Amino acid sequence: DAEITQSPRHKITETGRQVTLACHQTWNHNNMFWYRQDLGHGLRLIHYSYGVQDTNKGEVSDGYSVSRSNTEDLPLTLESAASSQTSVYFCASSEGTGLRRDTEAFFGQGTRLTVV
Amino acid sequence: KQEVTQIPAALSVPEGENLVLNCSFTDSAIYNLQWFRQDPGKGLTSLLLIQSSQREQTSGRLNASLDKSSGRSTLYIAASQPGDSATYLCAVPEYGNKLVFGAGTILRVKS
Repeated sequence: DAEITQSPRHKITETGRQVTLACHQTWNHNNMFWYRQDLGHGLRLIHYSYGVQDTNKGEVSDGYSVSRSNTEDLPLTLESAASSQTSVYFCASSEGTGLRRDTEAFFGQGTRLTVV
Repeated sequence: KQEVTQIPAALSVPEGENLVLNCSFTDSAIYNLQWFRQDPGKGLTSLLLIQSSQREQTSGRLNASLDKSSGRSTLYIAASQPGDSATYLCAVPEYGNKLVFGAGTILRVKS
């Protein structure tokens, strides 16, 4: 069965370190998204991609970057981790071209990141 | 800017009850609405996707309705079970298929 997997599931890192969270999907979806989930803020969009070599900033993109070198993967990098980036991170994918709005989104299991 | 609101924020019911979760959105020009379930410490599981041309979508004991003109959707759960305890989220896509989420309804079904 097709799926979307995130790794690691849990990560503790120190302030100032660079951290990369992996997201891999086997749906062959064009669209991929990174969200963070925090109490009191719900799910917020960090970055997204509509295809290979395409990346876009979301609502809370400061301090994060992504790259899309193939269809299956969208790694999320925290350039210099800060305590404010302690959160649960979710990757998602959906089918179709970037502007299609009728497609179902599928989510990974999440990565719990703690910055100390 | 699209805003999504879910009421109630939390709900506790005895097993066997039928219940309704509410979702409202400010911009009625949506293409679809998606309901998710999230268990503690887990990811989001897609429950139902309602296209804008549909009024209802059913899956087992779940039934979701959509009224675009009034900016509302409801998720109806029939004969609730303790295993239904979870957080339920609704989301609508903004331009470019980016989802905007409600804050969720935390459901507890007591045995």
